[in-house]
Amino acid sequence: KAGVTQTPRYLIKTRGQQVTLSCSPISGHRSVSWYQQTPGQGLQFLFEYFSETQRNKGNFPGRFSGRQFSNSRSEMNVSTLELGDSALYLCASSRERGPNTEAFFGQGTRLTVV
Amino acid sequence: KQEVTQIPAALSVPEGENLVLNCSFTDSAIYNLQWFRQDPGKGLTSLLLIQSSQREQTSGRLNASLDKSSGRSTLYIAASQPGDSATYLCAVNPLGSNTGKLIFGQGTTLQVKP
Repeated sequence: KAGVTQTPRYLIKTRGQQVTLSCSPISGHRSVSWYQQTPGQGLQFLFEYFSETQRNKGNFPGRFSGRQFSNSRSEMNVSTLELGDSALYLCASSRERGPNTEAFFGQGTRLTVV
Repeated sequence: KQEVTQIPAALSVPEGENLVLNCSFTDSAIYNLQWFRQDPGKGLTSLLLIQSSQREQTSGRLNASLDKSSGRSTLYIAASQPGDSATYLCAVNPLGSNTGKLIFGQGTTLQVKP
């Protein structure tokens, strides 16, 4: 059974550019969440999608956006990149919200903004 | 506002020792608590999920307990091995958000010396 797949694994971008990250959840999982991990702030929740709808959003500026497709794959986009956006971006999928919901994470995309 | 704290931030033990990692949270209104392992530069591997109605979960040499009323969870690792060296993160899924949003602690970095 394939796990959560994130592409690309590594990215280097220049300040002011935009970037799109992709996440393919485990087959049958309908919920996808995104997190940003930095040494200073740790893991912080960005947003969650379920059935193509954003269900929750963290405390990030509007430059961070996302979407989910009908096959549950998700993308997140960061526009007008800043140096502080350099981080490991992690995607998690879960079957759906329920008593036995367990989150499974991908390997992450390491974004470096120069 | 839910806050999750993990103490200590770092721990070094000799191989074979039994050890306990601590996690505390400020709001007992949680759906579940999950322990993860993260190797350097990698994604998160789910170790154990404890529902709010449960007291503990076991998987191999790992045992996680949950005391919701006191806002505490512990991860017990028996007979530690060098391969257990990693950062261990706990996360809670708060009630009321109706989503899979996880709030993470800062993690405990474990080093097991041969």
